[in-house]
Amino acid sequence: AQSVSQHNHHVILSEAASLELGCNYSYGGTVNLFWYVQYPGQHLQLLLKYFSGDPLVKGIKGFEAEFIKSKFSFNLRKPSVQWSDTAEYFCAVNAVGRSGGYQKVTFGTGTKLQVIP
Amino acid sequence: ETGVTQSPTHLIKTRGQQVTLRCSSQSGHNTVSWYQQALGQGPQFIFQYYREEENGRGNFPPRFSGLQFPNYSSELNVNALELDDSALYLCASSLQGISGNTIYFGEGSWLTVV
Repeated sequence: AQSVSQHNHHVILSEAASLELGCNYSYGGTVNLFWYVQYPGQHLQLLLKYFSGDPLVKGIKGFEAEFIKSKFSFNLRKPSVQWSDTAEYFCAVNAVGRSGGYQKVTFGTGTKLQVIP
Repeated sequence: ETGVTQSPTHLIKTRGQQVTLRCSSQSGHNTVSWYQQALGQGPQFIFQYYREEENGRGNFPPRFSGLQFPNYSSELNVNALELDDSALYLCASSLQGISGNTIYFGEGSWLTVV
């Protein structure tokens, strides 16, 4: 069964600081990887995704993530955070290759990011 | 906007009652999944429907059931509500059969069981 670990539960940064949120997954096969963001009172929004190809993926709002297959990791980064990035961030994985099978996305427990002006 | 709409947005039920939550998937998407997000937790997969049949289920008891209709909209039904069922229920739609497709979430239905 697939699982996702997010190492940081709560991160506090000052504006302009750099961000890196850790994400490790456990699954032996091919995976699709996602980062979702949930702003206070809002729905889950897709930040970025990795399916195949270049392991460095760029998403919206200046976020990027790097897939390192050997480390089973998909860390999220942003060079300079803004107050508006305050939100909860979820890493998620979807196992690929189940012919006709269902798509179960497994989420991590989330990281709450607080950016101080 | 993801094109996934859910109703109602908020509701309060009493323990032991039954609830039905509804979801309209994004146009062209044939697969609907339901997730439960308890406070302070990540979303947990409940089940998925494809071509009007359940084709995958997470670790939820049978009192959680669902339907998918020919227009791909869906319902989540929960019987014999318990206090721990209080959570945000998320519907997600996607297109089955396409490698690397993305799952889009609705805004959710907040259920409070008292």
